[in-house]
Amino acid sequence: GAVVSQHPSRVICKSGTSVKIECRSLDFQATTMFWYRQFPKKSLMLMATSNEGSKATYEQGVEKDKFLINHASLTLSTLTVTSAHPEDSSFYICSASIGGGNIQYFGAGTRLSVL
Amino acid sequence: DAKTTQPPSMDCAEGRAANLPCNHSTISGNEYVYWYRQIHSQGPQYIIHGLKNNETNEMASLIITEDRKSSTLILPHATLRDTAVYYCIVDRNSGNTPLVFGKGTRLSVIA
Repeated sequence: GAVVSQHPSRVICKSGTSVKIECRSLDFQATTMFWYRQFPKKSLMLMATSNEGSKATYEQGVEKDKFLINHASLTLSTLTVTSAHPEDSSFYICSASIGGGNIQYFGAGTRLSVL
Repeated sequence: DAKTTQPPSMDCAEGRAANLPCNHSTISGNEYVYWYRQIHSQGPQYIIHGLKNNETNEMASLIITEDRKSSTLILPHATLRDTAVYYCIVDRNSGNTPLVFGKGTRLSVIA
């Protein structure tokens, strides 16, 4: 089946630093990818829709200047958490679909811990 | 907001069938029922989806009521590795749209 690779799986950083998370579609092209955030014991919440070659679409309440999304190719989207703070600590997950339907394939997730 | 309602938790004995219910009384005619699961600290995994007919694949079976207002996901022989949160989602089966996750059902398979 389709595979979405997400890297890194875990990152610990100091407050004020920036962290980049990569999401790759390994065996298919994805014009659209989605970024979700999940806090402990909560469900996934959509943060933004990443569109290849154009600006991302952010959900209400998600700061676009804090969560920078770049979708420069059909197989790669990146999420950069800028000037991370402890409240940004969460589980970040990306997804993509092959198209023709809406079966989403998810990355393994990135657990961000900001000290 | 999620358009589905699921019990928060269920237990199932290993080797027995796990039947996970989902209510989606406001489902539209062009919306499908999707099931995903999320094993602890991993990304969600697609299981199965259907429109109105019952569906079966290597992972599970999906039974949708005739009025399409509810469905049941069946894991025929649950194993410990099936312990996860199971999400029932209604969505149009066209193009790239994000999924709206509800709270899901936490299934615990017990030895």
